[in-house]
Amino acid sequence: LAKTTQPISMDSYEGQEVNITCSHNNIATNDYITWYQQFPSQGPRFIIQGYKTKVTNEVASLFIPADRKSSTLSLPRVSLSDTAVYYCLVGDRGTSGTYKYIFGTGTRLKVLA
Amino acid sequence: NAGVTQTPKFQVLKTGQSMTLQCAQDMNHNSMYWYRQDPGMGLRLIYYSASEGTTDKGEVPNGYNVSRLNKREFSLRLESAAPSQTSVYFCASSEEGWGGPSSYNEQFFGPGTRLTVL
Repeated sequence: LAKTTQPISMDSYEGQEVNITCSHNNIATNDYITWYQQFPSQGPRFIIQGYKTKVTNEVASLFIPADRKSSTLSLPRVSLSDTAVYYCLVGDRGTSGTYKYIFGTGTRLKVLA
Repeated sequence: NAGVTQTPKFQVLKTGQSMTLQCAQDMNHNSMYWYRQDPGMGLRLIYYSASEGTTDKGEVPNGYNVSRLNKREFSLRLESAAPSQTSVYFCASSEEGWGGPSSYNEQFFGPGTRLTVL
């Protein structure tokens, strides 16, 4: 069963860089790693996705080591508006063989002034 | 371009009542999904539809039925609501389905329906 493990919560101050690490020991060979962000009372929103090494977009960076058993989402210079829950997703084929993503409980990031 | 829309936004039901949650997307996406999110928890997949005319069970399908009416619309029905179904329900869509581990699959979520079953 492909499963991700993330810290339950993190606190940070405005202007700091935040790194959230996710472990996914059973990731499938060709699976991507995807991160979503969810604000209170809203649906999740896609942040970034990668397969290996480093991926960067205008919002975040994603670092994936060679063994791909973990990944780190990096948010540069966070602001109060980055307070949200962050989900790390990998795929899971499950017992039925149908491929799907498992959201898990995510990491609750609180940015303090 | 509204993205993914859901109706209603809020609903209160009594145990045993039935209702249908509506979802529509205007992005011409092939795949659509229904999730539920209980307080303080992550999202759990109820059902999904990889393409028009097909549906499949997710993690927690019991007590629900779905209909992929056309490419745009995907409805979720509770035939006999129970208090355990009190939750926030999210609909999502993606351009491609879950074709396998190497599929790129950005999902776009609706605003959610907050359902309370008394």
